[in-house]
Amino acid sequence: GESVGLHLPTLSVQEGDNSIINCAYSNSASDYFIWYKQESGKGPQFIIDIRSNMDKRQGQRVTVLLNKTVKHLSLQIAATQPGDSAVYFCAENSGAGSYQLTFGKGTKLSVIP
Amino acid sequence: DSGVTQTPKHLITATGQRVTLRCSPRSGDLSVYWYQQSLDQGLQFLIQYYNGEERAKGNILERFSAQQFPDLHSELNLSSLELGDSALYFCASSVGPGASNQPQHFGDGTRLSIL
Repeated sequence: GESVGLHLPTLSVQEGDNSIINCAYSNSASDYFIWYKQESGKGPQFIIDIRSNMDKRQGQRVTVLLNKTVKHLSLQIAATQPGDSAVYFCAENSGAGSYQLTFGKGTKLSVIP
Repeated sequence: DSGVTQTPKHLITATGQRVTLRCSPRSGDLSVYWYQQSLDQGLQFLIQYYNGEERAKGNILERFSAQQFPDLHSELNLSSLELGDSALYFCASSVGPGASNQPQHFGDGTRLSIL
C-alpha cells in the first residue's frame, strides 16, 4: 500500500456542494474496489464497493466510478455535509486469489459550513 | 457501529514488553484481518485468519503472531516491543475467506503507545 504520510492530500468543499475524491490504483489485475471513510479516533467505515465488471455504482448520496483503462477510481459525494468531513481511502483487491486489500493514500475531506 | 469489537482501546507499555490485542468479529463473519496504521506507512495488512486457520500473511514481523479461536475471536500478540511499533492496530472481519468480493468491516482499533 501507499504511504499516507504526514502530508495527506486535502479537499475543502463548501457545505451543500458535491465532492469528488480520486484514487489511482496500480494493479491492472485488481478486480474489486472499496471506498472507506475514517473519522478521527475511529476505524475505516465501509461506504461503497464496486467490482471490475462495472464502471459505476450508486449508493445513498455516493457514487463510485471506475475507469479501468486509466486505472482510476473516484468517489462522488452529493450535497456534502459537515458529517462527511473525514479521511477517505480507496482499497483494491488484486484478484488472482488474493485475500488482502491494498489501501491507497487517503484524502482528507474538509467541509466548510 | 461496524459490529467488530476491539479491546483494549488504548495500551501504553515499554520497550521490550509483550502485549495482546483482542478482536471479536461481526456475528456470522468467519474471516478476521489485522492491520497496522502508522503515520508514515498508512494502513498495512498484517495477517488474515479464516475459520481458525491462517489464510494470508502480509507485512507481519516475526515478533508478531496471531491466532483465531474456535469462537472466532482473534488475538494479535506483539512481543519485544520497539518504539516503532507504536501505531493503531485494526481488526476487520468479513463473511467468507477472500477479499475479492466482500467488504471488510473494521473495528475502532487499539492505539498502542510504546514509551
